[in-house]
Amino acid sequence: TQLLEQSPQFLSIQEGENLTVYCNSSSVFSSLQWYRQEPGEGPVLLVTVVTGGEVKKLKRLTFQFGDARKDSSLHITAAQPGDTGLYLCAGPTGAGSYQLTFGKGTKLSVIP
Amino acid sequence: GAGVSQTPSNKVTEKGKYVELRCDPISGHTALYWYRQSLGQGPEFLIYFQGTGAADDSGLPNDRFFAVRPEGSVSTLKIQRTERGDSAVYLCASSLMLGNTIYFGEGSWLTVV
Repeated sequence: TQLLEQSPQFLSIQEGENLTVYCNSSSVFSSLQWYRQEPGEGPVLLVTVVTGGEVKKLKRLTFQFGDARKDSSLHITAAQPGDTGLYLCAGPTGAGSYQLTFGKGTKLSVIP
Repeated sequence: GAGVSQTPSNKVTEKGKYVELRCDPISGHTALYWYRQSLGQGPEFLIYFQGTGAADDSGLPNDRFFAVRPEGSVSTLKIQRTERGDSAVYLCASSLMLGNTIYFGEGSWLTVV
């Protein structure tokens, strides 16, 4: 079973601070995805990383895929209240790799 | 609407009752997925369809759970003899084809009392 562990579980920071959240596994994944989920809504895809060592930037968000493709990180610069939400990482598993295994998520609160 | 639509948004049922949850995918999307998200957890895979057929139902927890997609569009997740442990948000998602970006609905929040 391929598991994804996310840390920290909860994070509360002031507006303008920087933060990094992590997604780790003992297994190799062909790719990893990051989603953000707000209360009462479904997860929304932010990015997919595919190549070991890959870095992708989405405005103030920087995503990195580990060289061994077992881990990933999400760094947010100058966090804003609109960044508040549950950040989930997910990787393809199962026959055909069309099912996603999700981590438990990091619940981020950005305080104005 | 343009997104994945799920009904009901909330359902409270008594232990032992039968429940149906409906998912209307984005128009033209051939792949459809069901996930379950318990409180404090990430979504957990249940089943996915390519067209009308269940391509992978390995995530269904037991034989009380069943899903259909008879015409390759709308899908219904059926839960028999509900148990309190079935309480969760049931998320449906769709993608243009298997392997493409998946888009989630807002979920159906099921509470079994």
